Amino acid sequence: KAGVTQTPRYLIKTRGQQVTLSCSPISGHRSVSWYQQTPGQGLQFLFEYFSETQRNKGNFPGRFSGRQFSNSRSEMNVSTLELGDSALYLCASSLVAGSGNTIYFGEGSWLTVV
Amino acid sequence: TQLLEQSPQFLSIQEGENLTVYCNSSSVFSSLQWYRQEPGEGPVLLVTVVTGGEVKKLKRLTFQFGDARKDSSLHITAAQPGDTGLYLCAGDGAGGTSYGKLTFGQGTILTVHP
Repeated sequence: KAGVTQTPRYLIKTRGQQVTLSCSPISGHRSVSWYQQTPGQGLQFLFEYFSETQRNKGNFPGRFSGRQFSNSRSEMNVSTLELGDSALYLCASSLVAGSGNTIYFGEGSWLTVV
Repeated sequence: TQLLEQSPQFLSIQEGENLTVYCNSSSVFSSLQWYRQEPGEGPVLLVTVVTGGEVKKLKRLTFQFGDARKDSSLHITAAQPGDTGLYLCAGDGAGGTSYGKLTFGQGTILTVHP
């Protein structure tokens, strides 16, 4: 069974540009969440989607947005990129979101903003 | 505010030694997950603990969830160089209000010298 797949793996963008990252969850998983990982802040929750609805959101500015499609695939978008947005962006999926449901991570998308 | 305090942050030991990593919180979690992450990759799930007082063993790794579901520990017996990596604890369902939101500890960077 394929794991969580994220594309692209690496990308470099310029300040002010926007970026879209894609995530395909494990087959059958309906909950998709996104995290940002940086050396200084560690892993921080961005948002979670279930059945195309955002159910939970972390403390990030509105420049960070996401969506989920009917096939559970998800995308996240960051607009007006800043240098501080350079990070590893991780997508994770689980069957449903709730107590004891194991969350599996993809390999991540490395974003560098120059 | 860091809900999950993970310690120690750095651990450098010799092959064959034992070690324990701690994860403490004032919040109650529905479940707690331990991950291991290699540089440039996503976190890989090691174990999920759900029941207070639960102990799970994975070869030389022993995981324990506190009775009150506020803390957890990871014990590695006879560490090997292949155990080197970043170990992360993550709590799910803090305060019973989160969906898909894992709260991560700061991580423990373990280095096992041959």
